[in-house]
Amino acid sequence: QQQVKQSPQSLIVQKGGISIINCAYENTAFDYFPWYQQFPGKGPALLIAIRPDVSEKKEGRFTISFNKSAKQFSLHIMDSQPGDSATYFCAARRHPGGGRSGGSNYKLTFGKGTLLTVNP
Amino acid sequence: EAGVTQFPSHSVIEKGQTVTLRCDPISGHDNLYWYRRVMGKEIKFLLHFVKESKQDESGMPNNRFLAERTGGTYSTLKVQPAELEDSGVYFCASSRNRGLGQFFGPGTRLTVL
Repeated sequence: QQQVKQSPQSLIVQKGGISIINCAYENTAFDYFPWYQQFPGKGPALLIAIRPDVSEKKEGRFTISFNKSAKQFSLHIMDSQPGDSATYFCAARRHPGGGRSGGSNYKLTFGKGTLLTVNP
Repeated sequence: EAGVTQFPSHSVIEKGQTVTLRCDPISGHDNLYWYRRVMGKEIKFLLHFVKESKQDESGMPNNRFLAERTGGTYSTLKVQPAELEDSGVYFCASSRNRGLGQFFGPGTRLTVL
């Protein structure tokens, strides 16, 4: 059972356009939602993240929109550039919770990824 | 600050052989994670170390996989014996704080023939 569903699988955008990638989740215990960007031959790199107490977070050209009631969040890339061409992963993490060590639920649950191509 | 490093970058082995992957986390990061991405699938959690202790190994597929982190520094992930379905990219990540800001290594691409 896939806990984080990501769409689309691939996306082609013209330079200067807006790229939108969507994710949906089922587990209401998730409380941290990062987006990762991965270039070929590299590991995923944290791009931007949001907590469910806010509906939007913006960093430069990248914005996360979060809809808690719908259990959905999305990444918007404004003024998309060819250098933004990469695979993007959404992810979610549960609140660590209690326990002797403050809990152990630090693992990230990822979507399947979106291959973004920005044409010049 | 040096990033997370992984060795080797690629490994091609035959079914039944043993392979050991290594991960060096960012210095000072107590938390170390292993993930795996099988082609076309999502990146899946394997296990989490806090220093030298296994905090969560719920994602380990079976007992053919053994992870260690002696001394709480680098970690190894051994697959013995390797099966075809073990092929994929194995990522290591580390973090200073509890789960936030996990920094990923470049991954080891494992191909089992």
